Amino acid sequence: QKEVEQDPGPLSVPEGAIVSLNCTYSNSAFQYFMWYRQYSRKGPELLMYTYSSGNKEDGRFTAQVDKSSKYISLFIRDSQPSDSATYLCAMRSGFGNEKLTFGTGTRLTIIP
Amino acid sequence: GAVVSQHPSWVICKSGTSVKIECRSLDFQATTMFWYRQFPKQSLMLMATSNEGSKATYEQGVEKDKFLINHASLTLSTLTVTSAHPEDSSFYICSATRLAGGPSPSSGANVLTFGAGSRLTVL
Repeated sequence: QKEVEQDPGPLSVPEGAIVSLNCTYSNSAFQYFMWYRQYSRKGPELLMYTYSSGNKEDGRFTAQVDKSSKYISLFIRDSQPSDSATYLCAMRSGFGNEKLTFGTGTRLTIIP
Repeated sequence: GAVVSQHPSWVICKSGTSVKIECRSLDFQATTMFWYRQFPKQSLMLMATSNEGSKATYEQGVEKDKFLINHASLTLSTLTVTSAHPEDSSFYICSATRLAGGPSPSSGANVLTFGAGSRLTVL
């Protein structure tokens, strides 16, 4: 079993829809959770960063962490074609320079 | 914000040659840099952790003699693919973290910033 599980998709939704992306994990030591967006042939860029359980909102993006269920989510409201990308969840246990554990990424396409 | 520059963005080489990829943190000092490899439609695979002034730590299954990593300064790490073969063709991405000792954990100060990646094609 992988430490982090993420549905690879592909996921296609119409423009304006709410998108829900999810990851589950098995390591209860994970405390720091991130979502990265990666456009084709580009490096990942950080979208959201969350410490421990709870919600965090930034514009059209909301990140949720439920440590009791070992489940994290990223919601995208009013989705735009420019949101079409691969979304990777990532997490780590420490605050320092520990390596991240990534999900496999979900390919998302927003249909105009 | 933090910027990580990676060069070259695209390189084609002949089988048997060596290729060097540079990763620079432009506006911050990075004690630790990470090198990843990504195959098409797959996630990032960590190859090694590069620490300034010391030897890199390689992940299991990664040949240290083939993928030479040098982290000579707080702003530069290099990955050299030695005697490259077609199976080494991939997308290589570096990332860097800021120096430890930043603000509170929830601020996000110690997150990874990625370079734009380097696409290597070995003929």
